Amino acid sequence: DAMVIQNPRYQVTQFGKPVTLSCSQTLNHNVMYWYQQKSSQAPKLLFHYYDKDFNNEADTPDNFQSRRPNTSFCFLDIRSPGLGDAAMYLCATSRLGSGGRQPQHFGDGTRLSIL
Amino acid sequence: ELKVEQNPLFLSMQEGKNYTIYCNYSTTSDRLYWYRQDPGKSLESLFVLLSNGAVKQEGRLMASLDTKARLSTLHITAAVHDLSATYFCAGTPPSSGSARQLTFGSGTQLTVLP
Repeated sequence: DAMVIQNPRYQVTQFGKPVTLSCSQTLNHNVMYWYQQKSSQAPKLLFHYYDKDFNNEADTPDNFQSRRPNTSFCFLDIRSPGLGDAAMYLCATSRLGSGGRQPQHFGDGTRLSIL
Repeated sequence: ELKVEQNPLFLSMQEGKNYTIYCNYSTTSDRLYWYRQDPGKSLESLFVLLSNGAVKQEGRLMASLDTKARLSTLHITAAVHDLSATYFCAGTPPSSGSARQLTFGSGTQLTVLP
């Protein structure tokens, strides 16, 4: 089945040690999103790619970066994770041109813990 | 800036009962989405509401949209335990353009009791 796959499901890193989360999709969607969801909170958009065009949310910390080397893959890099960055990170995709008629498709998420 | 408010935040209901979750949003949002999230899991799409007066139903869940009142509702009929989850509504800000970034409500944590 076409889907959005995130790896790893669980990631533990040390305070200040860079970490990369990955997302791949077989839906051939041209928009990919990264959301951060802290415990018992709503998902919060960090940034999105529209094809290769990167769009950062105004309040996303500089500590968070993203790369999209091709249509299928997108990476979230956290350069110096702090304790406040412990969260579930969700990747989602959508197809431009659907006029919002189709929902975003979410991966299973990566739960990041900081030691 | 689009703000989305849901209420209640927590809802305990007995099996067989009916209840409604409300989602109010602050500015124009011509698309309204409902998602379900089980603990520790990702978000599952339930409904996409595209226009004023839209009503969609799936099983015991029915969602509606009133764009003039800036209100969407998720109605639960004859609740069963399997419906226990957190339900999010989300809109797309007018400035989101084609990419249609989602702004989520705080979520309603539903617990259905036997």
